[in-house]
Amino acid sequence: KQEVTQIPAALSVPEGENLVLNCSFTDSAIYNLQWFRQDPGKGLTSLLLIQSSQREQTSGRLNASLDKSSGRSTLYIAASQPGDSATYLCALPQGGSEKLVFGKGTKLTVNP
Amino acid sequence: GAVVSQHPSWVICKSGTSVKIECRSLDFQATTMFWYRQFPKQSLMLMATSNEGSKATYEQGVEKDKFLINHASLTLSTLTVTSAHPEDSSFYICRGGGGDYGYTFGSGTRLTVV
Repeated sequence: KQEVTQIPAALSVPEGENLVLNCSFTDSAIYNLQWFRQDPGKGLTSLLLIQSSQREQTSGRLNASLDKSSGRSTLYIAASQPGDSATYLCALPQGGSEKLVFGKGTKLTVNP
Repeated sequence: GAVVSQHPSWVICKSGTSVKIECRSLDFQATTMFWYRQFPKQSLMLMATSNEGSKATYEQGVEKDKFLINHASLTLSTLTVTSAHPEDSSFYICRGGGGDYGYTFGSGTRLTVV
């Protein structure tokens, strides 16, 4: 059974700082991995989707990497802004199904 | 891109009443819809998977008679919380799509049972 862990659970940084969020998973036979952003009381916004054959994906100030062999993914946020404050979730399919397993998320606060 | 519209975004109901949540796929046919629940400071947990024209598949520990799921068309899936109680207060969210195109979530419904 796939288990997903995100560290740290919460992170507070000053504006402008570069930061890394971590996601680890137990079953390396994954199809893909996706990072989401969730604002308080809101739904999920997809940030980056990494296929199993890829090592990283970039979108603007965001860069996600994937290392299947070590069961890890990282989300790098460059030049953080207060608007980046949110909870960041990573999710992977359970086995060969389309059922997603989520980590508990990292709550990011970027202070002006 | 694929869009899933979820309504209502929030609802307050009295204990013992039923609440229906709708998810519509706006620009694609969602043969499968996944329903999740999220309690405060917890992650999203899959409740059930609905397939168009057939019965939903519920995850272990989820009461199928309490959480009725209907997926009568390729663009609409509904979740009805029957005889709601305060412990059912949670954030409910649906998801359609998948595969190489990622996963599209609805905007979620905040249910408060008083």
